[in-house]
Amino acid sequence: QVQLQESGPSLVKPSQTLTLTCTVSGGSIKGSKEYWTWIRQPAGKGLEWIGRIYTSGITNYNPSLKSRVTISLDTSKNEFSLKLSSVTAADTAVYYCARGYREFGPWGQGTLVTVSS
Amino acid sequence: DIQMTQSPSSLSASVGDRVTITCQASQDISNFLNWYQQKPGKAPKLLIYDASNLQTGVPSRFSGSGSGTDFTFTISSLQPEDVATYYCQHYDDLLPYTFGQGTNLEIK
Repeated sequence: QVQLQESGPSLVKPSQTLTLTCTVSGGSIKGSKEYWTWIRQPAGKGLEWIGRIYTSGITNYNPSLKSRVTISLDTSKNEFSLKLSSVTAADTAVYYCARGYREFGPWGQGTLVTVSS
Repeated sequence: DIQMTQSPSSLSASVGDRVTITCQASQDISNFLNWYQQKPGKAPKLLIYDASNLQTGVPSRFSGSGSGTDFTFTISSLQPEDVATYYCQHYDDLLPYTFGQGTNLEIK
């Protein structure tokens, strides 16, 4: 069965770019005809949809983050990535990757990213 | 953005109780609604999709109903392992997808 695992730095300085990778196992991203999604959750708060990428490379982003977000695929490594630029403390959150277009599952375990100097 | 308003924000019930959570959308979303369960320190888990369809492997005590702007999530007989926060999520074509603020369910 498909499993997802996020990886990346746990601490990012303000104004820098947050970069996370989601590695997919148990199935191939290439040709999967699936959407791959990023969602985040600030501590003690609700969930925020960040954006998604289709296996063709087509992306959709949350308009509130669109100017700062890039989601990309690396099918050779069976992974997809999130880049969020010009981060501030408000971007501190647990970041999840998940499979899905409109309903999401499975999810990765999540990774906490703290924005602080 | 479509706003999703859940109520109550927290709930305490006894084992065996019937538990109901509501979710109201700020505009008509047909049946484009999912429900998730999130246990402490874990990722959310999809329980219900398309407002009323039970995800494979999810116990039948969980159910969902509604369409348009008003939706209900029900646990027919609360079990200790159901302690979690529950979220609704719309997937109307109008991006972004948004989640309700969550309902924290505890055992009395």
